[in-house]
Amino acid sequence: DADVTQTPRNRITKTGKRIMLECSQTKGHDRMYWYRQDPGLGLRLIYYSFDVKDINKGEISDGYSVSRQAQAKFSLSLESAIPNQTALYFCATSDPQTSGRDNEQFFGPGTRLTVL
Amino acid sequence: LAKTTQPISMDSYEGQEVNITCSHNNIATNDYITWYQQFPSQGPRFIIQGYKTKVTNEVASLFIPADRKSSTLSLPRVSLSDTAVYYCLVGATENMNSGGYQKVTFGTGTKLQVIP
Repeated sequence: DADVTQTPRNRITKTGKRIMLECSQTKGHDRMYWYRQDPGLGLRLIYYSFDVKDINKGEISDGYSVSRQAQAKFSLSLESAIPNQTALYFCATSDPQTSGRDNEQFFGPGTRLTVL
Repeated sequence: LAKTTQPISMDSYEGQEVNITCSHNNIATNDYITWYQQFPSQGPRFIIQGYKTKVTNEVASLFIPADRKSSTLSLPRVSLSDTAVYYCLVGATENMNSGGYQKVTFGTGTKLQVIP
């Protein structure tokens, strides 16, 4: 969805480096999410935020941190990257009240991260 | 969390109707059933959502029996462009505060391959 953008789209880094993945949205949604996708494991929730002052851990938050700088921006950081964090990372937004549909999330194009 | 079970993969010829069934035996009373489609290297895209009986939109139909312990996504007359992974989710986020979220999870999905 073009309304949800992620930067960078691809990144190769080395073990121990700090990495930040950024997500921006123009949909005006309050809720934002970070997922990672690994082959054969589907999508797993890392962190989510229901508004600017709200940050919550998902099912696999260890090794990650997030920052909700504004309603439109939600960044994911890997403080010290390790090889098993190599994955495809997706940002998503939602607003059940305006979409009229529960569980409808709008995903960005993804960031492919490789940690060597 | 309501766990879902769906086939890992399916093959279909072009022009055929495809039915993908998802089991969710411990679905909660206020849970919705939602299906997403994901193409390679793209984020998932919402297809359809329902609570009970049948829902139809321009893309698919969703059949939900009275006990709601399973659901079937029906794709009419598939084409090669329908080759994708299809995810079944159950959960509810409407009116839920962030402390109660985590009820919506993506499983491993069903990989549909449409054959010419």
